[in-house]
Amino acid sequence: SAVISQKPSRDICQRGTSLTIQCQVDSQVTMMFWYRQQPGQSLTLIATANQGSEATYESGFVIDKFPISRPNLTFSTLTVSNMSPEDSSIYLCSAGKSSGNTIYFGEGSWLTVV
Amino acid sequence: GIQVEQSPPDLILQEGANSTLRCNFSDSVNNLQWFHQNPWGQLINLFYIPSGTKQNGRLSATTVATERYSLLYISSSQTTDSGVYFCAVDPLFGAGGTSYGKLTFGQGTILTVHP
Repeated sequence: SAVISQKPSRDICQRGTSLTIQCQVDSQVTMMFWYRQQPGQSLTLIATANQGSEATYESGFVIDKFPISRPNLTFSTLTVSNMSPEDSSIYLCSAGKSSGNTIYFGEGSWLTVV
Repeated sequence: GIQVEQSPPDLILQEGANSTLRCNFSDSVNNLQWFHQNPWGQLINLFYIPSGTKQNGRLSATTVATERYSLLYISSSQTTDSGVYFCAVDPLFGAGGTSYGKLTFGQGTILTVHP
């Protein structure tokens, strides 16, 4: 199994600012991902965080808005840039040892943009 | 992309009742997981079940991969079972059947258990 910690757990942000969310895994993992969950909705994949290289973004998500870093096999960050109220969501980090095995999730970061 | 449909969308039970949640998916998968999201937003992994049957206490799950569906059974429900239940799949791509660990989620079933 993998234990995933996210910081911050919750924040209220001003429109136009940026916030960086940190994700720490307690063991080395091959795969790390970032998801967004808008209010009342399901989870949507933002991007795959690639160790040592640029993240791979899903359709509808761009690097300028959601820059992602992954400097090693246990840590990643997601920045939500130039926030607007539409960015108010839960952002979740997930990780797994390999495809076809269990994917684990962090406890999520609740962002409210005012 | 793969489609994941969950039913029912909402379910209201009295404590002690049993229930069955269903997840249909439109293509072959390398992984299927059931999650419970509590009121604080935390996703709790219930089952990793790409095929077969598993049980964990009052919960059990069955996936029939050839027919592309999975069922989650909750017996003797408790108020603490309330929340949203998600099914998520890791689809296989291409003739070689490659997957990437990227989960596609269904829309969820909102379960409310009354005392």
